[in-house]
Amino acid sequence: NAGVTQTPKFQVLKTGQSMTLQCAQDMNHEYMSWYRQDPGMGLRLIHYSVGAGITDQGEVPNGYNVSRSTTEDFPLRLLSAAPSQTSVYFCASSSRIQEETQYFGPGTRLLVL
Amino acid sequence: AQSVTQLDSQVPVFEEAPVELRCNYSSSVSVYLFWYVQYPNQGLQLLLKYLSGSTLVKGINGFEAEFNKSQTSFHLRKPSVHISDTAEYFCAVSYPPGGSYIPTFGRGTSLIVHP
Repeated sequence: NAGVTQTPKFQVLKTGQSMTLQCAQDMNHEYMSWYRQDPGMGLRLIHYSVGAGITDQGEVPNGYNVSRSTTEDFPLRLLSAAPSQTSVYFCASSSRIQEETQYFGPGTRLLVL
Repeated sequence: AQSVTQLDSQVPVFEEAPVELRCNYSSSVSVYLFWYVQYPNQGLQLLLKYLSGSTLVKGINGFEAEFNKSQTSFHLRKPSVHISDTAEYFCAVSYPPGGSYIPTFGRGTSLIVHP
C-alpha cells in the first residue's frame, strides 16, 4: 500500500495562474479531506468528501474547487492563484468504519509569486 | 462547535528530560481526542487517540496522554525525550460517530530537543 500520495511535492506559480494538486489513496477510504497549513495557524480544512460524487466546504474554501469522481482520487484546483494561497497543502483520508483516524499525505509546498 | 488550544507554541527541552505538551479543548458534548506528530518536511502521523474507556492513553515512541474531563485537557507526556523527538505536535478533537468526523486542530507546539 502506498497510502496517501500527493503530487507535485513543490510548485511555484505566478499570480493568476491555475493548477491542480493531486491526491490519491489506495486504502479504499470513503472519506477524504484537504487542509492547508500556515505557520502558527495549525491545519485548516479547505474541502472534504464523504464519498464519490459528494463534496462539501470546510473552513477556508474560497479560491479552491474540488471534485470526487472516484473513491481513490480527490484533486484540489486553484482557479486563479494568489499570494495568500502560498502554503503547504495536505490531503488526508479515513475509512467509514474508523472515520476518526486520518491518514495524511506528505504534502505539497506551494509558492505563489 | 469544538475548539482546541495548545498553550505553548514552542517547548525547548534537553535530551533525556521529561516533557509535557499542553492541550485544552472546549465542547459541550463528548469528543474524541488526538495527538499527531509532524517531523520536518513530512505529513502528519497519528501518535495516539482517546475514544473512550481508560483516561490514560499510550501511543507510539513512548508518548502517553491523559484525558481529564473536568479540566477539559488532554496533555501529552514523555518521561525522557530524544533528539529524534524534535518535531511539531498537533492536538485535535472530533465528534464521535453521528457527529462530524472532521477533526479541529490546534495551532501546534514545536518541541525542540537540545543535546
